[in-house]
Amino acid sequence: NAGVMQNPRHLVRRRGQEARLRCSPMKGHSHVYWYRQLPEEGLKFMVYLQKENIIDESGMPKERFSAEFPKEGPSILRIQQVVRGDSAAYFCASSPQTGGEQYFGPGTRLTVT
Amino acid sequence: QKEVEQNSGPLSVPEGAIASLNCTYSDRVSQSFFWYRQYSGKSPELIMSIYSNGDKEDGRFTAQLNKASQYVSLLIRDSQPSDSATYLCAVNILEGSARQLTFGSGTQLTVLP
Repeated sequence: NAGVMQNPRHLVRRRGQEARLRCSPMKGHSHVYWYRQLPEEGLKFMVYLQKENIIDESGMPKERFSAEFPKEGPSILRIQQVVRGDSAAYFCASSPQTGGEQYFGPGTRLTVT
Repeated sequence: QKEVEQNSGPLSVPEGAIASLNCTYSDRVSQSFFWYRQYSGKSPELIMSIYSNGDKEDGRFTAQLNKASQYVSLLIRDSQPSDSATYLCAVNILEGSARQLTFGSGTQLTVLP
């Protein structure tokens, strides 16, 4: 019974490049959440998606960040023109229902050089 | 601004003692409450969920919820060195039609052998 999968686990990008982070939810889960954790800081909500729909993106920076969860395939968090301040751990979580328990993937650690 | 606050720690207890972790939240309509454990460099792991007032026990862990006081706690009995981690309190905040988890900043627990 596979858990939430994220890839890549580590990603290094130079300033100005694009970063694409992927998340496959647990089997049977249709709700996906993305969180960011800066070094020595807490988890911050970014975006909540269901299949083909963005439900809540109130935590997402207005520029350079976008997310999708297509009908087929994983959810993708895309960061364009990365800056050093984007260096963080990005976690994806999934749940079977809104308001329910969320299970986290292993995270993608993004380093911008 | 919906907030979740945890006692700042760090907290140290001797092996075999009871560790008590506390959390308060500001949103009166919150309905779901969770405790996650996060080891350094790892992703959050769900250890307890609680939805109604009172106590909920699972092995060495007991979650306590008091909605009138907007307070939720986690007790760890017979603490072990392997319990040393950061414990995150999370509350399901209702924002519009969506629900998102808001996390506290975490309490770092060290269990001393």
